[in-house]
Parts: sequence; structure tokens; C-alpha cells
Amino acid sequence: DTAVSQTPKYLVTQMGNDKSIKCEQNLGHDTMYWYKQDSKKFLKIMFSYNNKELIINETVPNRFSPKSPDKAHLNLHINSLELGDSAVYFCASSQNRGSGANVLTFGAGSRLTVL
Amino acid sequence: KQEVTQIPAALSVPEGENLVLNCSFTDSAIYNLQWFRQDPGKGLTSLLLIQSSQREQTSGRLNASLDKSSGRSTLYIAASQPGDSATYLCAPGGTDKLIFGTGTRLQVFP
Repeated sequence: DTAVSQTPKYLVTQMGNDKSIKCEQNLGHDTMYWYKQDSKKFLKIMFSYNNKELIINETVPNRFSPKSPDKAHLNLHINSLELGDSAVYFCASSQNRGSGANVLTFGAGSRLTVL
Repeated sequence: KQEVTQIPAALSVPEGENLVLNCSFTDSAIYNLQWFRQDPGKGLTSLLLIQSSQREQTSGRLNASLDKSSGRSTLYIAASQPGDSATYLCAPGGTDKLIFGTGTRLQVFP
């Protein structure tokens, strides 16, 4: 039973389109994250939500809009896609907010390719 | 701003060797440090978490140490195996987020 699941796994689309990536966790965690891994494999946080509340918005263009309908889901919607948005997007979750002893559990990633 | 550097960037060794992967970070005000493994085309798997009050953590053939004051962590892999081949990432944790290093790409050949 997958702990953190993302869909779709692969997404190929044209510049200018709008797309969404969905994430669900069945671990009962309070906090969820979106990370972006670029072509150089550098992994950087984008957003963090704790119990549906936005905690971190890491200087991400406002074309990116996360939505958390409940604490088990954190979706990422991207408007007007650009070439530079091509990357692997990882969803993750942790027991609660703050580092302390929180272990992050990651999804398998969603590879977005913008043509 | 936290900056994380991992050395070496890549490592290729025959199986059976004991390995040391290094991580350095600029801001020592961390709550914990985590080591992750990433297999090609896959997500990240948490290996070890060291809280800021701890000096080391062990799991099987893996041992991670933390020297918070000097901004360094080391991942030691004993008796390496081909199945250890992956990218290893360290991530010191602040209040609400982890900052990831660029990783060490490890290949262990038979």
C-alpha cells in the first residue's frame, strides 16, 4: 500500500498549457511538501502545508498554485507552463510541522516535460 | 541562507570497500540532519535522521555522524555492495524545511 502517491508519473505538454499534479498520503501525517528536482538533480522545496495551512512558499512564481483540500492531499496546479518548468516534482509528507525528529516520506515523483 | 555541499560528487568502487561520504553546511542552527538515498528514476528513501543533540546514528551497515558546530556530517557505508549504488543526499533541517545537498552518486561494481 503506497504511503505517498503522486499522479501522473509522467506528463508531457506544450508551453502555455495548464496542468495539475496530485498527491495523496495515507500515513496520517499533518504536513505535506512539494519539492522540485531540476535537470542537475538539485532538489529544492517549493511549498509546505500543515493541516491545510500554507507554511512555506519558497519564492515560487505565482503560476504555481498548491491546493490542500484536506491534510491527506496536496495538489499542484501550474498555469501557463514554460520550458523551464520541466523537472521532476516530488511530493513528501512528515508527521508534523517542524524538523525535530520528523522523517520525510517521499512519493515516486512526477516527471513534467514542457515542449 | 543554508548552503549544503557534498563531496565527492561521484564515487565508483569495487564491492567490499568501506566508504565515507561527506556533507558540509553553512548554517549550524539546525534541528536535525537526514540522509536519503535516491535510485535512478525513483523517489527518495530516508536512511538516517540525526537530531541536533545527537552525534551519530546507525542502521545496519550505515553510520552517520554529525558535528553541528563545524557544519559537517559523514555517512559511513561498511562493506559496500552493488545494491548500494544510488545517489546519496544529505539534508540539514531548519524550522520547517530541509535543504538538500547536490548529492554523491555512488556506483559499487562486483
